[in-house]
Amino acid sequence: SQQGEEDPQALSIQEGENATMNCSYKTSINNLQWYRQNSGRGLVHLILIRSNEREKHSGRLRVTLDTSKKSSSLLITASRAADTASYFCAIRDSGAGSYQLTFGKGTKLSVIP
Amino acid sequence: NAGVTQTPKFQVLKTGQSMTLQCAQDMNHNSMYWYRQDPGMGLRLIYYSASEGTTDKGEVPNGYNVSRLNKREFSLRLESAAPSQTSVYFCASSPGTGGYGYTFGSGTRLTVV
Repeated sequence: SQQGEEDPQALSIQEGENATMNCSYKTSINNLQWYRQNSGRGLVHLILIRSNEREKHSGRLRVTLDTSKKSSSLLITASRAADTASYFCAIRDSGAGSYQLTFGKGTKLSVIP
Repeated sequence: NAGVTQTPKFQVLKTGQSMTLQCAQDMNHNSMYWYRQDPGMGLRLIYYSASEGTTDKGEVPNGYNVSRLNKREFSLRLESAAPSQTSVYFCASSPGTGGYGYTFGSGTRLTVV
């Protein structure tokens, strides 16, 4: 199974600015998901976008998916100190019998008050 | 609403000792998963259970065994712990293996000395 690769590895911004993280992958996907992990905690599911979708929104979060470029982006608007966390993309392959969700290594976001 | 509960939260083992990590979910989910998280490696799937009564290997199953005790519980056993198994272990569940986000527990931090 493939792994998504997040870019950048780390990002530091001021409170109120927008944060953009990217995820690239190599083969066909069924869906792509984004998760947040606060330090020392478990992962929290943010958004799932299916291969036939191009954009989804949830509150201050906007996710786009470009299957022709095999990439996705997560935009957090008007960031807050509480958004400080690591963000992971996770790939669900489109292969038959593929039940695994494969995680990237994450982007560490720091929002400075 | 508890979600996914993992026990213990911390554990120190000596090389060669055995232990079982417990995981229980109260969301009536069909599928459950065990991941390990190591610095710089992201999350890697150890084993999963697509439905009650079934278990399958993930990316890094060596040195581990699992039991899907019932629909709620999915345990991970280390028969003879090794320092390479020092990691943070996460249990997760989802309604099925298709297009669903995962709900994660808060993790077990295991150190093998």
